[in-house]
Amino acid sequence: EAGVAQSPRYKIIEKRQSVAFWCNPISGHATLYWYQQILGQGPKLLIQFQNNGVVDDSQLPKDRFSAERLKGVDSTLKIQPAKLEDSAVYLCASSFSDGHEQYFGPGTRLTVT
Amino acid sequence: QQPVQSPQAVILREGEDAVINCSSSKALYSVHWYRQKHGEAPVFLMILLKGGEQKGHEKISASFNEKKQQSSLYLTASQLSYSGTYFCGTGSGSARQLTFGSGTQLTVLP
Repeated sequence: EAGVAQSPRYKIIEKRQSVAFWCNPISGHATLYWYQQILGQGPKLLIQFQNNGVVDDSQLPKDRFSAERLKGVDSTLKIQPAKLEDSAVYLCASSFSDGHEQYFGPGTRLTVT
Repeated sequence: QQPVQSPQAVILREGEDAVINCSSSKALYSVHWYRQKHGEAPVFLMILLKGGEQKGHEKISASFNEKKQQSSLYLTASQLSYSGTYFCGTGSGSARQLTFGSGTQLTVLP
């Protein structure tokens, strides 16, 4: 069974630039999550989709972050403009609707200089 | 609000036991445990639900005290492969959003 795919794996940008991350969840998983994990901390939920609708985006900095999930499958997370404090690993996860077991992708390590 | 994990770090020898604790100030619907090895994605270990249902992998057990909003993860006869950072994630509603603790770093030495 194919896992959660993410790209790119690494990205280095300068502050004020924009960046986009892509995620392809496990086939059949209705729920998709984007997390931000800063070094030494646990993952922090940014946004949760159920099919292509947003369930929770209360911790998404909406002035600079946006996310979409087209056709209830793939998702993209965008940051525009990036700040130094956005340096982190961005993890995508997916699960069945019950959310009991989340499968995480390998993550994208973002460095903002 | 983020759950509190303890201890922050633990070092043990192969074959020894360890307990990792997770407590929350909010009423909990579920507690989820994940392990993350350095540079890798978190991997699901176990979920404990209000009412007593549990689902999990491997030879790992856990408890969930609903009244105290606490959970403990029990690692018995530890193996080298158990090394990593353990995170508890707490869910306080039916919407399934998780709030993760800051992690417990476990190191198993030969």
